[in-house]
Amino acid sequence: DVKVTQSSRYLVKRTGEKVFLECVQDMDHENMFWYRQDPGLGLRLIYFSYDVKMKEKGDIPEGYSVSREKKERFSLILESASTNQTSMYLCASSVQKYEAFFGQGTRLTVV
Amino acid sequence: AQSVTQLDSQVPVFEEAPVELRCNYSSSVSVYLFWYVQYPNQGLQLLLKYLSGSTLVESINGFEAEFNKSQTSFHLRKPSVHISDTAEYFCAVSSNQAGTALIFGKGTTLSVSS
Repeated sequence: DVKVTQSSRYLVKRTGEKVFLECVQDMDHENMFWYRQDPGLGLRLIYFSYDVKMKEKGDIPEGYSVSREKKERFSLILESASTNQTSMYLCASSVQKYEAFFGQGTRLTVV
Repeated sequence: AQSVTQLDSQVPVFEEAPVELRCNYSSSVSVYLFWYVQYPNQGLQLLLKYLSGSTLVESINGFEAEFNKSQTSFHLRKPSVHISDTAEYFCAVSSNQAGTALIFGKGTTLSVSS
């Protein structure tokens, strides 16, 4: 089975902190994604990567950056956390055109 | 650019009634379409997918969806729902072009009551 692992299920951070969310997949997928899920807004794409060191902005990249130094790992970075970044963050991976497999999510609270 | 519109944010139904969750997409290239389900307090699971071939696709728990290219739709249907189908359902679109992302709709909450 494909496994996508996010480093934390719950995280509480203070405003202004730099926050790292880590995601690892074990199926050699070329695509990896970061979404945030908010009630009524569905899943909104923050960034995705289709190859090592390659990244593309999604719909809401402001305040975020990403890193993909190895194929299996895709990190989301909140440069200076703010309260409006309190959300559920979902990582996913896929082979192009096929379905994406999701991690369990990280519920981030910024206080 | 691709986009997905789920036309209903909430759909309340009674047990054993039929249901249709509507999804329309926009894309300038060939698409691949997916329905995901998220049960309360759980992660996203793939429900069914259309990649090619028959335009009618089915899931193992009785849901089906039909790809309609002329109407750019991929509606999800079930002839008789159960309480356990209560969940949030997401429609998503992708393509076979490298460098294109999987884009989701805003979701439809299906609430099944007795």
